[in-house]
Order: sequence, then C-alpha cells, then structure tokens
Amino acid sequence: KQEVTQIPAALSVPEGENLVLNCSFTDSAIYNLQWFRQDPGKGLTSLLLIQSSQREQTSGRLNASLDKSSGRSTLYIAASQPGDSATYLCAVVLEKLVFGKGTKLTVNP
Amino acid sequence: GAGVSQSPRYKVAKRGQDVALRCDPISGHVSLFWYQQALGQGPEFLTYFQNEAQLDKSGLPSDRFFAERPEGSVSTLKIQRTQQEDSAVYLCASSLDRVVAEQYFGPGTRLTVT
Repeated sequence: KQEVTQIPAALSVPEGENLVLNCSFTDSAIYNLQWFRQDPGKGLTSLLLIQSSQREQTSGRLNASLDKSSGRSTLYIAASQPGDSATYLCAVVLEKLVFGKGTKLTVNP
Repeated sequence: GAGVSQSPRYKVAKRGQDVALRCDPISGHVSLFWYQQALGQGPEFLTYFQNEAQLDKSGLPSDRFFAERPEGSVSTLKIQRTQQEDSAVYLCASSLDRVVAEQYFGPGTRLTVT
C-alpha cells in the first residue's frame, strides 16, 4: 500500500527565507507527483505536476524535484512571503491521488 | 465559471439524516474523483469515474456511501444515515485524462453531523 509522508508537519520562518518541504513515498511505481497548496477553508490549488519521466519542475519562486528511485520529492520555495502561508500537500499520482498529511507553513512578516 | 464547483459549500445534518453532495466538473473533463478530508489530515480517495462509469469505489468507507455520474458530467455523492464520523470536507476533482493529467479541485463541501 502506497504511503506518503511529509516532513516537517509545521514550519514557521521569517519573510525572505528560502525553504524546503519534504515528501517521501513508499512505492516508486507512480505515474506523476503533484504538489498542492491549501488555504484554510478552501479547496486545493495545484502548484506543480512532475511527470515520472521528469526530475524537476519550476514555476516562479517554486521548484519541485522528484527522485523516484529513492521515493522522494522536495518543494523549494525561494524568498518566502507572508502570502505563501498555507498548508502544502504532496500527492503521488496512481490513477487516484494518494496524499500526505501536509506541511503547515507560516511566513512571518 | 471555468473551475470545478461544488454545492452546498456547508451542510449540517443531524445524525441519521441522508445527504447529497453535488459536483460540477470542468466542461469536457472525462475523469471525476471524490475525496474525503478529515480535520488535520490529507484528502483520502473515495471513488473515481471515467465518463459515467464508476471504475473504482474502493475508498468508500461503507455501504452508506453511494456516488453516481449518470450522464458523464455532474456527479452526486450520497451518504445515507449519516454518522458523526462522516463529518469531513468532501472534495471533488476532475481531469481531462484518466492518468497523466492534472486534477483540478473544487472548493469542497464541509459536512458536519450533529
């Protein structure tokens, strides 16, 4: 059974810091990996989708990497801003998505 | 609108009542997924449709949960005889393709069973 773990569960940083969120999964037989953002009381916003043949994807200040063989993905956020405060979820894509529990990020002004 | 919509956004039900949650996917999206998100947890898969066919319902927690998508567009998740443990946010997602396309999520329905 595929299990997804996200570390840390919560993270608080001052504005301007670069930070890394970690995601690990137990079974490397995945199609893709997707990172989401969830604001309180809201649905999920897709940030980045990494296909299994790719090693990374970039969008603005976000960079996500994927190492299938080791079962790991990282989300790098550069120059963090208070507006980045949210819960970040990673999900491995089988047909359904299997999610981690998320990392709650707080960026302090 | 262009996104996935869900209704109602909030639902309070008394224990034992039946509820129906609606999802309108993005037009033209073939695949539709339902997920359940308990407080402080990541979403968990409930069921999946490709057009009108329900291809996977392995995540439905009990036979009180039933989902349908009769015309391959709008989907309804029905919960019969609600229990307190059913309290959660129910998320719907749609995607263009079965496997490789991004899933786009709706805002969710927050169900509270009292």
